[in-house]
Parts: sequence; structure tokens; C-alpha cells
Amino acid sequence: DGGITQSPKYLFRKEGQNVTLSCEQNLNHDAMYWYRQDPGQGLRLIYYSQIVNDFQKGDIAEGYSVSREKKESFPLTVTSAQKNPTAFYLCASTSLGLADHNEQFFGPGTRLTVL
Amino acid sequence: DQQVKQNSPSLSVQEGRISILNCDYTNSMFDYFLWYKKYPAEGPTFLISISSIKDKNEDGRFTVFLNKSAKHLSLHIVPSQPGDSAVYFCAASVVRRQLTFGSGTQLTVLP
Repeated sequence: DGGITQSPKYLFRKEGQNVTLSCEQNLNHDAMYWYRQDPGQGLRLIYYSQIVNDFQKGDIAEGYSVSREKKESFPLTVTSAQKNPTAFYLCASTSLGLADHNEQFFGPGTRLTVL
Repeated sequence: DQQVKQNSPSLSVQEGRISILNCDYTNSMFDYFLWYKKYPAEGPTFLISISSIKDKNEDGRFTVFLNKSAKHLSLHIVPSQPGDSAVYFCAASVVRRQLTFGSGTQLTVLP
């Protein structure tokens, strides 16, 4: 069945290490997004991509990198330059068809903890 | 500068009563508004939306009201059920661009 998958669900990282979070969708959606959620805060946009091989920075892109080599996949790398990486990371996607509204569909999330 | 604000971090209501969740925005260019529901350790799920050309949209127990002059929207849940206990986020967009989210309101429905 269609949906968005994120893996792993829980991830532990030592300080100074880069780590890559996976996001895959089989909804044939054009656009994909990465958000970060911290306790008591809303979702903040890290990066987004509306087409393969193109992506834009969101509000808090520093310390993160992404790629969009395939329409279905939008991995996020949390680099050692990210000062406070411990958070809940959410991936989302949406269709950009003219008849579509931009409801975003979310994956189950990855909780990253830096030790 | 928060463009979408949910000023109540939490709300408790009795089962069967009405829940009213509020959201204010500052950007008059927003033309589409959405509500999402989120359980702990899960991704948000889309609940209901409204275009700026309307002032009300209803879907079962959920109704969203939009007051453009006040830059305010609200989500009404009637009747509230214990399964409605979750964090509710409002979100807004300009001309189908990326969403801007509020900080969320934790709704607790007491049996």
C-alpha cells in the first residue's frame, strides 16, 4: 500500500559523526520535505525539493544536507556541523498537480539522539 | 517571527463536549489553511483544510472556521472523544507553497 517510510525509527549518534536519515515514498508525489520537531515547538522546515536533482533550503538548513536523485527518495544527512541535532525528524511529501491542494503526507518520523 | 501562532499549549475538555482549538496568523498572503493531528512518536496526519475564499468547512465531527479580518482560524470538535487526545497543529501556505506550522496545542479529552 502507498505511503511514506522513514528509517530507522530510532538512531543514536556520537558527537562528531555524520548520520543519514532515509525517506522513501511510493505516492508518486512531486515534492518532498524534511522537518524537525523539538519538544513544545512546531515543525520547522529544514530542506525541501519540488523536482528531482533540485532542492531548496528551509528555515533551519545549517548543518544539514540533502539529495534528490530519485523522485521516490529524499535522504537527509545530519552533519557534525549541526550544533544541536537531537530531535524528532519528519519527512513529508505532496503532489503539486493543479487540481491538488498542498496537503502534506508525513512519514512516521526518526528520533535522533546524540550521545 | 512566528507567522502562525497557537497561543494555548494545552486544552482539556470532558468527553462529549466541544473542543475549540485556536490559531492566529500574521501573513495576510496566506490563502490555504490546514489542521493536523499528531500522536507521540508518530508523524502528523492531515485532518481538515480551508481555502481563504471560504469561512467554514465541515467534515463529520470536525469544523474549521476562518475569520480573515481577524486573521484567526479555529477547529471545533463535536462531540469530543478520548481518541481525539493528541497534539493539533495548524498550518498555512501562500499560493500552494511550503507550509508554515504553529507550535501545536495538546488536547486532552477526559472520560
